[in-house]
Amino acid sequence: EVLLVQPGADMREPGESLTISCQTSGYTFSDHWITWVRQKAGRGLEWMGRIDPTDSYTTYGPSFQGHVTISTDRSTATAYLHLRSLKSSDTAIYYCARRGDPEAMRGAPFDHWGQGTRVTVSS
Amino acid sequence: SYEVTQAPSVTVSPGQTASITCSGEQLGEKYVSWYQQKPGQPPVLVIYQDTERPSGIPERFSGSNSGNTATLTLRGAQTTDEADYYCQVWETTTIIFGGGTKLTVL
Repeated sequence: EVLLVQPGADMREPGESLTISCQTSGYTFSDHWITWVRQKAGRGLEWMGRIDPTDSYTTYGPSFQGHVTISTDRSTATAYLHLRSLKSSDTAIYYCARRGDPEAMRGAPFDHWGQGTRVTVSS
Repeated sequence: SYEVTQAPSVTVSPGQTASITCSGEQLGEKYVSWYQQKPGQPPVLVIYQDTERPSGIPERFSGSNSGNTATLTLRGAQTTDEADYYCQVWETTTIIFGGGTKLTVL
């Protein structure tokens, strides 16, 4: 069974940084991109960026370039999202997701998702 | 930058067919995926590569993509289908989500 496990929630004060983990299991980690998606309360999905665990090649959405860093640890099959200089406007749920098999699923669909990490930024 | 547009809401009667659209320039030349998201849950992939259903997704869900519009069709809508639906495309190195459509079955 493919699983992506994220911490349920975290809280930080403005100006602090935070790293969210996404522990994967049930598949070969390096075979699938991991992406991160933000969702503010009552709003839509925002693509933050993605990483190819094979070579750590990353691309970021225009709104997030320079503000976040995505990384992986292949030894533990874990992906990370690092958020820096947090603002109250970063309060949201952050999801990690796995890209489906690129040979069988064209267009980069995301076939397995974590449950999301609810991040609250408040003083 | 590339954008895709969805209507904010669609309402359908139980048992009827709902059509949710996603519009973008020459969208038919790209592969579109669709996600269903219920309150408090992560998104679930329901259609990929324009028309394909992942295992476990009911046949009531189908997709099409031509010209500037992709369509997610739900036949025989049920109250359990009430959710937000998002289209998604991959444009060069960027993933783009539509703004989402809230489906009400009423």
